[in-house]
Amino acid sequence: DVKVTQSSRYLVKRTGEKVFLECVQDMDHENMFWYRQDPGLGLRLIYFSYDVKMKEKGDIPEGYSVSREKKERFSLILESASTNQTSMYLCASSLPGGVTYEKLFFGSGTQLSVL
Amino acid sequence: EDKVVQSPLSLVVHEGDTVTLNCSYEVTNFRSLLWYKQEKKAPTFLFMLTSSGIEKKSGRLSSILDKKELFSILNITATQTGDSAVYLCAVTPGGSEKLVFGKGTKLTVNP
Repeated sequence: DVKVTQSSRYLVKRTGEKVFLECVQDMDHENMFWYRQDPGLGLRLIYFSYDVKMKEKGDIPEGYSVSREKKERFSLILESASTNQTSMYLCASSLPGGVTYEKLFFGSGTQLSVL
Repeated sequence: EDKVVQSPLSLVVHEGDTVTLNCSYEVTNFRSLLWYKQEKKAPTFLFMLTSSGIEKKSGRLSSILDKKELFSILNITATQTGDSAVYLCAVTPGGSEKLVFGKGTKLTVNP
């Protein structure tokens, strides 16, 4: 089975801190994604990557950056955390192209609270 | 702008009931529509519907896609408490690696 692992289930950080959210997948997937999920707003795409060192902005990239140095790892970085970044963060991966890339495999999520 | 609208936003039923969840969409060059189930944290894949596969069934769950009217429904028959979850609908615009998600329908099945 595909496994997507997010390093933390819960994180509490202070305003202004630099925050790293880590995601690792074990199925050699090319595509990786970061979403945030908020009540009433659903899943919104922050960034995605379709190859090592490649990244594309999603719908809400402001205040975030990403890093993909290795194929299996995709990191989301909050350069200076703010309270409006309190959210559930979900990482996902998929195969590229064909009819399979839409089938995302999700991690269990990281609930981030910024105080 | 690509958009996915799910209804109802929440639903409470009793075990054994049949439920229908709705998903309508507006998307550029539709490619596929997907349903996910989110119980605790990680959404899990249920179905993918495309032009070549407009009806899917797995046990008590089934889904159809109406490309003309731009909607899909997810049916769950003989509901069980384990069906309690948020059900997410997503569509894929053609030429994009990104999915556009709806806000989800929260289903609660009471014993």
